[in-house]
Amino acid sequence: QVQLQESGPGLVKPSGTLSLTCAVSGGSISSSNWWSWVRQPPGKGLEWIGEIYHSGSTNYNPSLKSRVTISVDKSKNQFSLKLSSVTAADTAVYYCARGGYSARAFDIWGQGTMVTVSS
Amino acid sequence: EIVMTQSPATLSVSPGERATLSCRASQSVSSNLAWYQQKPGQAPRLLIYGASTKATGIPARFSGSGSGTEFTLTISSLQSEDFAVYYCQQYNNWPLTFGQGTRLEIK
Repeated sequence: QVQLQESGPGLVKPSGTLSLTCAVSGGSISSSNWWSWVRQPPGKGLEWIGEIYHSGSTNYNPSLKSRVTISVDKSKNQFSLKLSSVTAADTAVYYCARGGYSARAFDIWGQGTMVTVSS
Repeated sequence: EIVMTQSPATLSVSPGERATLSCRASQSVSSNLAWYQQKPGQAPRLLIYGASTKATGIPARFSGSGSGTEFTLTISSLQSEDFAVYYCQQYNNWPLTFGQGTRLEIK
């Protein structure tokens, strides 16, 4: 079955760029699915960051759009998140998740990775 | 942006009893509504999509209903493993948005 695994630095300096990768195993990133990033600040709710299709098409949350880039690497069966100009407010658990082609309910999630923004 | 509002924020129910969780959208999302369960330290788990369709492996005691702006998640007979935080999410419009969550606790 498809599994997702996030990886990347757990600590990022303020004003720096947060970079995470989500490896897809047990299936192809070129399937008919959208691939999303969702984050959750400590003790708070879930926030959708954005999504990508294997063609490279993307949709972003307008609240983060100016700072977010999501990309896909089909050769490595993975997709990535870059969030620039980070502040303490970007401290969160970051999840990658799989959504359907038309129904963007997230049926598969990574385990999540905690990213702290601090000097 | 569509705002999703869940109520109550916390629900205290005894094991074996029924729990009813509500989710309201600020505008119609048709049936493009999902429910998730999240336990401490874990990723969310998809329970319901399309407002009422159970995801794979979800027990029959979970059911979803509603359309438009008003939705309900019902757990017919609470088991110990059901005490968790529940989120609704709309996928009718971008940006995709979640409710703030309902914490289901043991009474």
